[in-house]
Amino acid sequence: QKEVEQNSGPLSVPEGAIASLNCTYSDRGSQSFFWYRQYSGKSPELIMSIYSNGDKEDGRFTAQLNKASQYVSLLIRDSQPSDSATYLCAVNNIGTGNQFYFGTGTSLTVIP
Amino acid sequence: DVKVTQSSRYLVKRTGEKVFLECVQDMDHENMFWYRQDPGLGLRLIYFSYDVKMKEKGDIPEGYSVSREKKERFSLILESASTNQTSMYLCASSSEGLAGTDTQYFGPGTRLTVL
Repeated sequence: QKEVEQNSGPLSVPEGAIASLNCTYSDRGSQSFFWYRQYSGKSPELIMSIYSNGDKEDGRFTAQLNKASQYVSLLIRDSQPSDSATYLCAVNNIGTGNQFYFGTGTSLTVIP
Repeated sequence: DVKVTQSSRYLVKRTGEKVFLECVQDMDHENMFWYRQDPGLGLRLIYFSYDVKMKEKGDIPEGYSVSREKKERFSLILESASTNQTSMYLCASSSEGLAGTDTQYFGPGTRLTVL
């Protein structure tokens, strides 16, 4: 069983719509959850980190965490063509070391 | 501002060559990581280090070694490059790992081609 699972997509949304990206993880002891954005040929860059159940908002981005369901999501409001990228979900269990577990990513295309 | 740098953006080597990839971070981070990224396989951890002169194997250490002589520098070595090591190599660093400080920051990556 994969540690972190994401729908690989591709996910296509029209400009201005809400894009919803989902991630599930298997390690119930995980404490730290991250969303990275990766443009083609570039390295991952951090968008959001979340550590507590509930929602965390930063501009057009909202991360949602539900530890009971082992589920973390990223909502992108007012999607822009510049949001077109692959989004990686990462999970860390500090108690078992600092090895991040990454999903394989969801490819998002925002159509103008 | 957080900064992780890698010695080369693109590298072309021949089969059997010894290859050195260097990573430097200026954030005084304890932890450093080397990943490779291949289409459809995602990020795979090769080696990581929690401290100077310390190293731990990741998921795919075969054919690789590492060196960490100084806190800010973590080198990945391909002892004898092979074509199946053609990949994007990503270095990352993070602080000591308390919740809230464990974010990994990535360098720009090195696209290695082995002919």
